[in-house]
Amino acid sequence: QVTLRESGPALVKPTQTLTLTCTFSGFSLSTSGMCVSWIRQPPGKALEWLARIDWDDDKYYSTSLKTRLTISKDTSKNQVVLTMTNMDPVDTATYYCARMWEYRGFDYWGQGTLVTVSS
Amino acid sequence: QSVLTQPPSASGTPGQRVTISCSGSSSNIGSNYVYWYQQLPGTAPKLLIYRNNQRPSGVPDRFSGSKSGTSASLAISGLRSEDEADYYCAAWDDSLSGLFGGGTKLTVL
Repeated sequence: QVTLRESGPALVKPTQTLTLTCTFSGFSLSTSGMCVSWIRQPPGKALEWLARIDWDDDKYYSTSLKTRLTISKDTSKNQVVLTMTNMDPVDTATYYCARMWEYRGFDYWGQGTLVTVSS
Repeated sequence: QSVLTQPPSASGTPGQRVTISCSGSSSNIGSNYVYWYQQLPGTAPKLLIYRNNQRPSGVPDRFSGSKSGTSASLAISGLRSEDEADYYCAAWDDSLSGLFGGGTKLTVL
């Protein structure tokens, strides 16, 4: 079955760089049409899409955050990594990874990881 | 301020039909698929509708989606108490950036 799991630090200091890893199983990111996205949700607020990486290594970023984000994949390890630079308290959120195949929506999500930005 | 606009709240009584709207523009909803997600408190979102009006297996046919021009709607018929949740529309824009609506909190009275 398909599973995704986010991992990374629960607490980061302002100005630091956040690195999150999405480890997945049950599908391959080398399958045509497959992609993995990162999505976040500040406490009590709406979902916000961050970035996406496709099976062919194409990458797409949120217009408002693109200067701070980098997404990459390691197909052999079944992992997708997101880095976000210059973290700020407003970046405090639950960060999710989710997969989509052939534009059929984000059908599988990780459980999310809460990242708090505080000194 | 989300690019996709949803009403912040909606409500209905058990058995009623409720619709939630999502308004966008020609560069997102107008030219790309619309998706709908349900989020129960403390859980990850769940896909309800993909490609405007398709239901994943396991999603009851009480949930339906439609799109017209730059707007879309989610309809829930035969409302049940367990439908009380936050609902989000989503779409890609022409530059393949993802977009979510601001979410609609559905209350079952």
